[in-house]
Amino acid sequence: EAQVTQNPRYLITVTGKKLTVTCSQNMNHEYMSWYRQDPGLGLRQIYYSMNVEVTDKGDVPEGYKVSRKEKRNFPLILESPSPNQTSLYFCASSLGSLRPSEQFFGPGTRLTVL
Amino acid sequence: GDSVTQMEGPVTLSEEAFLTINCTYTATGYPSLFWYVQYPGEGLQLLLKATKADDKGSNKGFEATYRKETTSFHLEKGSVQVSDSAVYFCALSADGNGGTSYGKLTFGQGTILTVHP
Repeated sequence: EAQVTQNPRYLITVTGKKLTVTCSQNMNHEYMSWYRQDPGLGLRQIYYSMNVEVTDKGDVPEGYKVSRKEKRNFPLILESPSPNQTSLYFCASSLGSLRPSEQFFGPGTRLTVL
Repeated sequence: GDSVTQMEGPVTLSEEAFLTINCTYTATGYPSLFWYVQYPGEGLQLLLKATKADDKGSNKGFEATYRKETTSFHLEKGSVQVSDSAVYFCALSADGNGGTSYGKLTFGQGTILTVHP
């Protein structure tokens, strides 16, 4: 089954404790992206990657890191989480250059930073 | 920069009522337009899309027409069901304009729809 998976689905952590949210897709998609969803703000892009070893900032990259060492994986890293990073996070992927941004979304990761 | 504005929610309707969710956008060039739906506890799913002016996207009884003259992409359904209760997001992508916006989706704030039996 074609899908985007994220882990964990739920995470409660404390300020300053490094964490990683994993994202994996099995569709051989070139383009992957991370969004955060906050009430009244819709989804905002954090980082994106157009292919292996190619990443770039989205609209709200502060406090986040990403890497793209393999085509299927695109982990989101919070080196020192803060309470304002409490949010619902979505990973997404698409074919990239072949389709106009028809993105497939993962189920989401709800992060709470205390 | 690019932006998408959706009508304020939440929207509450009775089953079989007519639905309209307004969406307008600001973008340079000719963006692609999308409606995504998010059911409770799930990720976003593409509902429909339109890639050029006057295109009509449709799926599951929902429709939206790309109106360049009014920069709008309003979502409509003639008869809603309880199972349509979800959050609906209008979005645009500046694909085709090149540059760093390639592949990025710009979302509206989302509209919560609740349908009662």
